[in-house]
Amino acid sequence: DSGVTQTPKHLITATGQRVTLRCSPRSGDLSVYWYQQSLDQGLQFLIQYYNGEERAKGNILERFSAQQFPDLHSELNLSSLELGDSALYFCASSNLGAGQETQYFGPGTRLLVL
Amino acid sequence: DQQVKQNSPSLSVQEGRISILNCDYTNSMFDYFLWYKKYPAEGPTFLISISSIKDKNEDGRFTVFLNKSAKHLSLHIVPSQPGDSAVYFCAASAVLNFGNEKLTFGTGTRLTIIP
Repeated sequence: DSGVTQTPKHLITATGQRVTLRCSPRSGDLSVYWYQQSLDQGLQFLIQYYNGEERAKGNILERFSAQQFPDLHSELNLSSLELGDSALYFCASSNLGAGQETQYFGPGTRLLVL
Repeated sequence: DQQVKQNSPSLSVQEGRISILNCDYTNSMFDYFLWYKKYPAEGPTFLISISSIKDKNEDGRFTVFLNKSAKHLSLHIVPSQPGDSAVYFCAASAVLNFGNEKLTFGTGTRLTIIP
């Protein structure tokens, strides 16, 4: 158990809909990262938050947005969903989001868009 | 542009023998490297890491070697056990500025340990 929790574990929805994925980081960790893993692909970095502020952006679509709340949990919002958005979404956390830190991953949310 | 490459999608090793998983990278700014293990329907589990100032790091049965001149790292598992069967991801990060510690992942190698 990494100490990172994600809900829900599974999500099935239809094209055009909007969903929210939730992540709680390990106790004491200030930085949260979101990654997407599509079928047979490595994990792709989406976005990083540090202590409530956006710190870095990767290959995140404009239809996707995220935020980190004062209690440090984070939410990833996916809107106008398309079939290609079906993937595993992982959240990770690290202490300071600083150099040479290990990121610890949650169990992921499996999203299926029909 | 795949900056971290794992060229072997799969590897089978006899139980008790050594498993060697390889990873190559192209970005010379990477200064921290990690290996994660992933079971189906679970998140990646951190195994071992190495800083660019070292060439070897050991933790129990796991050893990671880093060859900076070749931009190559490898994970050695000795002895291999059936529970090691999983997908292994190599990942790298570069401190471009404070807090920008995104991980760049390889596509993974599926390791199967044969009893």
